Amino acid sequence: EAGVAQSPRYKIIEKRQSVAFWCNPISGHATLYWYQQILGQGPKLLIQFQNNGVVDDSQLPKDRFSAERLKGVDSTLKIQPAKLEDSAVYLCASSLGGVETQYFGPGTRLLVL
Amino acid sequence: QKEVEQNSGPLSVPEGAIASLNCTYSDRGSQSFFWYRQYSGKSPELIMFIYSNGDKEDGRFTAQLNKASQYVSLLIRDSQPSDSATYLCAVKGGAGGTSYGKLTFGQGTILTVHP
Repeated sequence: EAGVAQSPRYKIIEKRQSVAFWCNPISGHATLYWYQQILGQGPKLLIQFQNNGVVDDSQLPKDRFSAERLKGVDSTLKIQPAKLEDSAVYLCASSLGGVETQYFGPGTRLLVL
Repeated sequence: QKEVEQNSGPLSVPEGAIASLNCTYSDRGSQSFFWYRQYSGKSPELIMFIYSNGDKEDGRFTAQLNKASQYVSLLIRDSQPSDSATYLCAVKGGAGGTSYGKLTFGQGTILTVHP
């Protein structure tokens, strides 16, 4: 079974630039999550999708972050414009149904200069 | 008070010893509790989950849950250098709380097992 795929693996941008991350969950997994993990901290949920609908985006900074999962499969997370404090690892995870047993992708390491 | 708080680290134990990792949570309605392991530069991987009060064993790992004390722990027996990683406690929020259905992670405890 293929795991969660993410790209790119690394990204360096300057502040005020935009960036997009892509995630393809495990086949058949209805629920997809985007987390932000700042160095030395645990992952923080940004947004959760159930199929192509948003279940929870309460911690997504909506003035600069956006995410979509149009066909209920892969997903894109965008930051525009980026700030220095956005430097983090962005993790995508998926699960078959609910929260139990989330499988994480390798993450995208973002550095904002 | 943080929603999920783990014992401050780093924790260093000798090879073969028992490593004890602790976690407390604030949402009394929480129902599901998870332990993830994260190697440096890698993504978290699930070790164990526990729903009921008491102990749950899986190989060298034992998860312990005490809902009355809002406390969950992970014991690693016969610790090996390959167990050196950051251990993340995660809690699924219960009904009626602001974190309902959402997984909230602690800040992690760095474990080092030295030969």
